[in-house]
Amino acid sequence: GAVVSQHPSRVICKSGTSVKIECRSLDFQATTMFWYRQFPKQSLMLMATSNEGSKATYEQGVEKDKFLINHASLTLSTLTVTSAHPEDSSFYICSARLGPYEQYFGPGTRLTVT
Amino acid sequence: SQELEQSPQSLIVQEGKNLTINCTSSKTLYGLYWYKQKYGEGLIFLMMLQKGGEEKSHEKITAKLDEKKQQSSLHITASQPSHAGIYLCGAVPYNNNDMRFGAGTRLTVKP
Repeated sequence: GAVVSQHPSRVICKSGTSVKIECRSLDFQATTMFWYRQFPKQSLMLMATSNEGSKATYEQGVEKDKFLINHASLTLSTLTVTSAHPEDSSFYICSARLGPYEQYFGPGTRLTVT
Repeated sequence: SQELEQSPQSLIVQEGKNLTINCTSSKTLYGLYWYKQKYGEGLIFLMMLQKGGEEKSHEKITAKLDEKKQQSSLHITASQPSHAGIYLCGAVPYNNNDMRFGAGTRLTVKP
């Protein structure tokens, strides 16, 4: 089946610094990728839709200047958390869309901001 | 926006018992997905349903989608401790292309 990877799996950064998370579709091309975040004991919340070659579409309440998304190629999307704060600590999961009914999820990245 | 209501929020069952988790949409769906997750880990794909009235089974887990494609149930037969985790339903509505999730059901299976 289709595989999506995320890197890093865990990252700890200091408050005020930026951190980049990569999402790759390993064996298929994805024109659309999605970024979700998950707080403890909560479900996944869609943050933004990443389209290759165009600007990402952000969900209401998600700061586009804080969560920078770049869909550089058909197999890579990156999420950069800028000027991270402890409240940004969360579990971030990406997914890649293969077809109208098919989305494949990465294993997630746990971000801890100290 | 797509709203998915999942119930119950949490469930504690004795090993060997059957259980059902429900997922209801306010809109007709392109596809309804069931995932399992252990918190802090990725999603494990269980099943995807597309057609009204469709039913799929894998091992002891059966998922159904109603004829109107707005409600799905996930049924586990003879539950085991390995079934414990968070079950999430996700859906792609007709007028959108992203997946939204229900709040999740936290399942505990007592040995």
